[in-house]
Amino acid sequence: DAGITQSPRHKVTETGTPVTLRCHQTENHRYMYWYRQDPGHGLRLIHYSYGVKDTDKGEVSDGYSVSRSKTEDFLLTLESATSSQTSVYFCAISSVSADTQYFGPGTRLTVL
Amino acid sequence: GQSLEQPSEVTAVEGAIVQINCTYQTSGFYGLSWYQQHDGGAPTFLSYNALDGLEETGRFSSFLSRSDSYGYLLLQELQMKDSASYFCAVGYQAGTALIFGKGTTLSVSS
Repeated sequence: DAGITQSPRHKVTETGTPVTLRCHQTENHRYMYWYRQDPGHGLRLIHYSYGVKDTDKGEVSDGYSVSRSKTEDFLLTLESATSSQTSVYFCAISSVSADTQYFGPGTRLTVL
Repeated sequence: GQSLEQPSEVTAVEGAIVQINCTYQTSGFYGLSWYQQHDGGAPTFLSYNALDGLEETGRFSSFLSRSDSYGYLLLQELQMKDSASYFCAVGYQAGTALIFGKGTTLSVSS
């Protein structure tokens, strides 16, 4: 299995608070991705990174920001969490292109 | 833009064969991928097709027809453990990212 971890695995927070989710990989893969998964919507791409300090927006980027200062870490930040951001968040990595991605275990975030 | 269509649910019995279809619309084609996700788990990569034809990996096969913007995942000799959600995905942003379909829930009964 690809070495990819996410922290925290579960988080409950209140509306309006900032939240940062961390994705850490030990595979030295170039590409890293953040998805959210909601019933009826499948997996939706939030942001992705194609190298250190190189990021781009996905389908549902509003309300989210990301940073990648090291190859192994990709952070997702919700500046001011809203209830609509309650979801399961998955990080994924890939080495050459997007077609073969390895997913982390996910973070379940609840915004009250 | 990009969009994918796949059935929301499929049911089958152990030992049977099931086909999950996926049609897509995309500006620029960078391959069709399939992922499996068990309840409560993370998606795992199953297969990838860049060219037309059939790719076989054990009990699972994936097919692509670029002229029809269509692909399918074929699962043979179904087992209870194959009960899961299956997602097709296409590349975009010059192949640096994926758009996923909404998933097909496969239920295998004995």
